[in-house]
Amino acid sequence: NAGVTQTPKFRVLKTGQSMTLLCAQDMNHEYMYWYRQDPGMGLRLIHYSVGEGTTAKGEVPDGYNVSRLKKQNFLLGLESAAPSQTSVYFCASRGYNEQFFGPGTRLTVL
Amino acid sequence: GQQVMQIPQYQHVQEGEDFTTYCNSSTTLSNIQWYKQRPGGHPVFLIQLVKSGEVKKQKRLTFQFGEAKKNSSLHITATQTTDVGTYFCAAFGGYGGATNKLIFGTGTLLAVQP
Repeated sequence: NAGVTQTPKFRVLKTGQSMTLLCAQDMNHEYMYWYRQDPGMGLRLIHYSVGEGTTAKGEVPDGYNVSRLKKQNFLLGLESAAPSQTSVYFCASRGYNEQFFGPGTRLTVL
Repeated sequence: GQQVMQIPQYQHVQEGEDFTTYCNSSTTLSNIQWYKQRPGGHPVFLIQLVKSGEVKKQKRLTFQFGEAKKNSSLHITATQTTDVGTYFCAAFGGYGGATNKLIFGTGTLLAVQP
């Protein structure tokens, strides 16, 4: 089992560009999450999903959209990237209790 | 919304010294989880505490859940260089006590000098 995978691992965008981050899990988990991690601020929840076809807002949803068309995939979109979205993005899926995290995507917006 | 505060933000110890990080909430928690993130890595689940006053041990790590279920601590005895990383507490929370979202504390970065 690969667990939780994320693509890409690194990306550099210019302000105003758009992109999609892909998260995939092979553990048949219902719940999936997108977090961003900034120095000194811990992990902040962007959006999450409690099952295929559902999405919900987290703590910091502005500027992001998500989709969960298939149970194993959770996509995070940036419609018009801004420098404030420079961060490390982690996807996670939830088992019975614990969350399993992907390796992260380091995004820089110039 | 629910907030989980964690102290200290950073601690530097000599190898062999003990280390403790504390997690506090203004509201009663249903449970609390602890994660460890190595430098450059991703958070990895360590443990979950559910019961009031619960104490669990994993080798040199001791986890406690307060009697009022509003605070928790992680204690490492005789730190080693392999303990380096950021330790996060996390609790399920959200409006109306929703259990769908895991809210993370800000983390404690542990540095261990050999």
